[in-house]
Formats: sequence, C-alpha cells, structure tokens
Amino acid sequence: DAGITQSPRHKVTETGTPVTLRCHQTENHRYMYWYRQDPGHGLRLIHYSYGVKDTDKGEVSDGYSVSRSKTEDFLLTLESATSSQTSVYFCAIGDRESSYNEQFFGPGTRLTVL
Amino acid sequence: DQQVKQNSPSLSVQEGRISILNCDYTNSMFDYFLWYKKYPAEGPTFLISISSIKDKNEDGRFTVFLNKSAKHLSLHIVPSQPGDSAVYFCAARRGDSNYQLIWGAGTKLIIKP
Repeated sequence: DAGITQSPRHKVTETGTPVTLRCHQTENHRYMYWYRQDPGHGLRLIHYSYGVKDTDKGEVSDGYSVSRSKTEDFLLTLESATSSQTSVYFCAIGDRESSYNEQFFGPGTRLTVL
Repeated sequence: DQQVKQNSPSLSVQEGRISILNCDYTNSMFDYFLWYKKYPAEGPTFLISISSIKDKNEDGRFTVFLNKSAKHLSLHIVPSQPGDSAVYFCAARRGDSNYQLIWGAGTKLIIKP
C-alpha cells in the first residue's frame, strides 16, 4: 500500500468556519491531488500539486485553496465552509511519468458542514 | 458535461458468473483509460488500465475492452467472486491537458452467493 494518510478522518463543522484537511505521504511522489466524491458525480479534481509550492486548479476549485510547503504534505483549506462543501475528500499521489498516470489514494476525510 | 459516463448505478451478478461493467466517453483526446475499485470507507485502488491504441488488456480475472469507434469500454470479471463486491470507477486520462483523470460516477457491483 502507498503510504498516504489523511487527517482528520471525520469532521463536522459549521457554515462560515475555516477548515483545513491534511494529506501526508511517505512515498516521495511528485504529484499530489485533492478530489471530492459526491453521489452521482464520481471523483472531481479540486486542486493538484506538481512540486513544492507548485499548484494548479482542477475542475471544482472555487471555495478551496491549497498549499504544499514540503514534498510530503498537501493541505486543502476551505476558507469559509458552506453546506455545498459537505462531501468525502480524497487525497491521491502519483507520478505523471508513469505511463498511464496511476494514482494512489488515501482513506478519505468525511466532512459535514452544518 | 460528463465526459465519462457510467450509466448503470448498480449491477447484481451471481457468484461464478461474468460481471460486465460499462463506461462511455465523449472526448477523443483521452489516451488512457483506467478502472478503479472502491470498498466502503476506503480510497479507490487501481485495478487495470488500457491505452487508447489497444483494444484489449487482460490481467487475471479482469479484462478491459476498448471500442474507440463507439467511445465505449467495458470491464469483464470472470468468474465473479464475493470479494469483487465494490464500487467500480472508470477514469480517463486527458492526453492534452496535464494528464488529468476524468472520472465516471461509478457502478456498485453486488455479487450474490
């Protein structure tokens, strides 16, 4: 198994509060990704990183920001959480140099915004 | 718009029989297709992939078929086993844009004993 951990695993928060989710890897992969999974939508990319301090937006980036100050850590921040951000969040790692961009996923964080 | 579609939210198959999961796509720029398997409360795990220049890839009980003219791929599991009960996601890699993966909504496979 790829060494990926996510914290917290579960969080309940209130609308308008800031939330930070953490992804930590021990595999030294260059690429890290944040996805959200919602019923009927599969996984949708929020942001990704291709190196320390190098990040880019995915298809559903509004309301989210990310930071990567070390190879092993990728943080996802909801500056002011809204109920529409209630979801399961997955972090993934990978190396684009692999022939088909295989990604390895963490266990997920279930976030509920009341 | 959904570029990758899995039109069956769920599928129930008898143990020992063949399971066939389907996936349709619209973007001709996809160069790789991947299948992932997901158990409850876990992250997805990679199962099998196929390049757009191939029409078949086999790995043990799992075979993926690609029909480019129909923009359709399918995952065959033979024989189906109880441990195959999971949600299966089809994903496509965009060869034209940072190699991002675009995901289908998933199909829940239930293997009946």
